[in-house]
Amino acid sequence: DAKTTQPPSMDCAEGRAANLPCNHSTISGNEYVYWYRQIHSQGPQYIIHGLKNNETNEMASLIITEDRKSSTLILPHATLRDTAVYYCIVRVGAGNQFYFGTGTSLTVIP
Amino acid sequence: DGGITQSPKYLFRKEGQNVTLSCEQNLNHDAMYWYRQDPGQGLRLIYYSQIVNDFQKGDIAEGYSVSREKKESFPLTVTSAQKNPTAFYLCASSPDSSSYNEQFFGPGTRLTVL
Repeated sequence: DAKTTQPPSMDCAEGRAANLPCNHSTISGNEYVYWYRQIHSQGPQYIIHGLKNNETNEMASLIITEDRKSSTLILPHATLRDTAVYYCIVRVGAGNQFYFGTGTSLTVIP
Repeated sequence: DGGITQSPKYLFRKEGQNVTLSCEQNLNHDAMYWYRQDPGQGLRLIYYSQIVNDFQKGDIAEGYSVSREKKESFPLTVTSAQKNPTAFYLCASSPDSSSYNEQFFGPGTRLTVL
């Protein structure tokens, strides 16, 4: 199974960009990179996903390295409401199964 | 509003009792999933269903059962055989089981076995 490695925690000043790294060195050619976040005791919220190219939406940007072995989620202007656990997911099995790790706990500081 | 609903939000049961958690979606999605989350941990897959009347075991299916009689409903039963059922349970759905589709999650049910 492809696995992801994320730092357990990060801090970011409010208004600054938050850059969350993820290593996925065993990713297969057809496996997408997904990012979700979870605020305490709520269901995970979809943020963004990509295969090879960088992606951007209204929430964030996803930068995937050319060899696809790592990626970075960028929240351009972090707010206090962005404090959450962020999950990087790359393993997608026969049933589109997501394999969650323990994620990165991001704290946005006023 | 389209979405996934789980009920109840909090559930308390006595040890040895079976309990069924509800998951309903009105997104017309084919695929549905059940995950379990323990404190400080990521989500682990219990069961998934790619289509009505079909379902597959995930990584931690022991002590759980599911049914998929209707497209919009995927109830999970936590049986007395589950050794440590106290956890946060999350249901998700996706349009189909294609690898490029994201999953949409419900709000979760927190089960506490006394």
